[in-house]
Amino acid sequence: AQSVTQPDIHITVSEGASLELRCNYSYGATPYLFWYVQSPGQGLQLLLKYFSGDTLVQGIKGFEAEFKRSQSSFNLRKPSVHWSDAAEYFCAVGARGGGSQGNLIFGKGTKLSVKP
Amino acid sequence: SAVISQKPSRDICQRGTSLTIQCQVDSQVTMMFWYRQQPGQSLTLIATANQGSEATYESGFVIDKFPISRPNLTFSTLTVSNMSPEDSSIYLCSVGGLAGGFTDTQYFGPGTRLTVL
Repeated sequence: AQSVTQPDIHITVSEGASLELRCNYSYGATPYLFWYVQSPGQGLQLLLKYFSGDTLVQGIKGFEAEFKRSQSSFNLRKPSVHWSDAAEYFCAVGARGGGSQGNLIFGKGTKLSVKP
Repeated sequence: SAVISQKPSRDICQRGTSLTIQCQVDSQVTMMFWYRQQPGQSLTLIATANQGSEATYESGFVIDKFPISRPNLTFSTLTVSNMSPEDSSIYLCSVGGLAGGFTDTQYFGPGTRLTVL
């Protein structure tokens, strides 16, 4: 069955430190991969997505993610975290050509706290 | 991306009543979806809102409980019927296929935070 695992429920990093949020997926083929961020009381904002091509994708707000097929992973990284990055981060997978069915499967999310 | 708005942004309702949530997009989109995010949980797809026809519901969700309308390419409503405290959640609208384009990226509205007493 299709699934997304975000192993870390809550991560705390110091401002200026680097960040890596983990995401592993289980899917029958190469899926579309997404990272969304949800600030408190807000909806979800798309950070970045991977469809094909270069396995290192750049997103907004200085985030990047790397697709590793051999590890079924799509980890999110940022070299230097800002206090405004404190939020909840969701990894999601979607079926290729599956837009007509929605088919976005979300992980349970990782809450990021940033220490001054 | 599109500008997506939802009304109301939050509401507190009594058990047994119904609430209709509106989702408005500032441009025509191919696909519109409704998700539920229960407290402390991830997002679960409720249904795909199809323009001019009945919505397509995911397993565990039924039309009698969550009737959906989509009268045109920019607007949809979700009704939460006969509410119970278990319906307390954030309900999010998402859209895909901006200007009739690629449908596999979804953009989300700000959500409606519902509390049922």
